[in-house]
Amino acid sequence: GAVVSQHPSWVICKSGTSVKIECRSLDFQATTMFWYRQFPKQSLMLMATSNEGSKATYEQGVEKDKFLINHASLTLSTLTVTSAHPEDSSFYICSARDREAPSGEQYFGPGTRLTVT
Amino acid sequence: AQTVTQSQPEMSVQEAETVTLSCTYDTSENNYYLFWYKQPPSRQMILVIRQEAYKQQNATENRFSVNFQKAAKSFSLKISDSQLGDTAMYFCAFMKLPIPIQGAQKLVFGQGTRLTINP
Repeated sequence: GAVVSQHPSWVICKSGTSVKIECRSLDFQATTMFWYRQFPKQSLMLMATSNEGSKATYEQGVEKDKFLINHASLTLSTLTVTSAHPEDSSFYICSARDREAPSGEQYFGPGTRLTVT
Repeated sequence: AQTVTQSQPEMSVQEAETVTLSCTYDTSENNYYLFWYKQPPSRQMILVIRQEAYKQQNATENRFSVNFQKAAKSFSLKISDSQLGDTAMYFCAFMKLPIPIQGAQKLVFGQGTRLTINP
């Protein structure tokens, strides 16, 4: 089955620093990847859509200069949280669409827990 | 814009019972996909079942089945012979059809239903 990995699975960083989260499709090519944020006991909130080789499309209210997304290859997208603050602490999840799958099904990574101190 | 509503924040049943989770959605699209995802305590999102709107037949996957009512815009999930491992958050999701060349469409999630299976 299609597998998506995320690294790191959890990270603690100091306020003001930047942290990068990687999302990889391990056994398929993903022209599109999505980044979500999830607060405890809440649903997934889409942050941005990442297309390989082009700029990401951000959802309304998401600061593109704070959440930098790069999709440099068909198997890797990265989310960099710049100048992190405690309010950025959350669970970040990526998903990837298999470009060969006609149904448009997305496969999810295991998530990354970010804690900003 | 599409919206997905799950009106049951929490549900709890005994092991081996059958439980139905509700989901309604709003869209002006005629063709689309609907999904149920499961998020156990590990927080890994797992696809439970998928329904194409153009198919009248309800999708089934082992103990999981849906009742898709297109006119009513309703998409409920039935779990039969519930097991302890079914304990999780369940999210209903809507997606428009992928656009050729332009690529994937985004998923629109409901608020989720926390399901607990008691021994």
